[in-house]
Amino acid sequence: EAQVTQNPRYLITVTGKKLTVTCSQNMNHEYMSWYRQDPGLGLRQIYYSMNVEVTDKGDVPEGYKVSRKEKRNFPLILESPSPNQTSLYFCASRFRGRYTFGSGTRLTVV
Amino acid sequence: GQQVMQIPQYQHVQEGEDFTTYCNSSTTLSNIQWYKQRPGGHPVFLIQLVKSGEVKKQKRLTFQFGEAKKNSSLHITATQTTDVGTYFCAGPEDSNYQLIWGAGTKLIIKP
Repeated sequence: EAQVTQNPRYLITVTGKKLTVTCSQNMNHEYMSWYRQDPGLGLRQIYYSMNVEVTDKGDVPEGYKVSRKEKRNFPLILESPSPNQTSLYFCASRFRGRYTFGSGTRLTVV
Repeated sequence: GQQVMQIPQYQHVQEGEDFTTYCNSSTTLSNIQWYKQRPGGHPVFLIQLVKSGEVKKQKRLTFQFGEAKKNSSLHITATQTTDVGTYFCAGPEDSNYQLIWGAGTKLIIKP
């Protein structure tokens, strides 16, 4: 089944403790992206990647890092999480303009 | 910068009533997409409109793209409980083709 898989689904962590949210797609899509979703703010893009080793900042990149070492994986790294990064995160891949989203990761930073 | 405004933020309807959400872009769009996010779920692609004045139907859902390609609407006829969720429109940014998302309209069925 064609899908985007994110892990974990839920994560509670403490301020400053580095974490990684994984994202993997099995559709061989070149483009992948990370979004955060906050009430009333819709979807805001964090980073995106047009292909392997090609990444670029979205609208809200501060406090996040990404890497794209292989086509299928696009992990999101929070080096020093802060409470304002508490949010719902979605990974997505894109083909012919159409986005396929993962199931989301709900992150709480205390 | 480019913006996509979506209204209303919420719409409460009785089951069986109609629902409409509107999107307005600050610039002409090459296309517009619509997504649905069920409560607790993730956005799921519904449709893409490309042509000026285009109208597409999916069962009880009717999607329109304005003549100037700056606005769009989604109309649901005779809502059902399965329609509950948030509907997003999104259009590509001119400079880098990243999607600019509307803030979404949440459809709530009154008990």
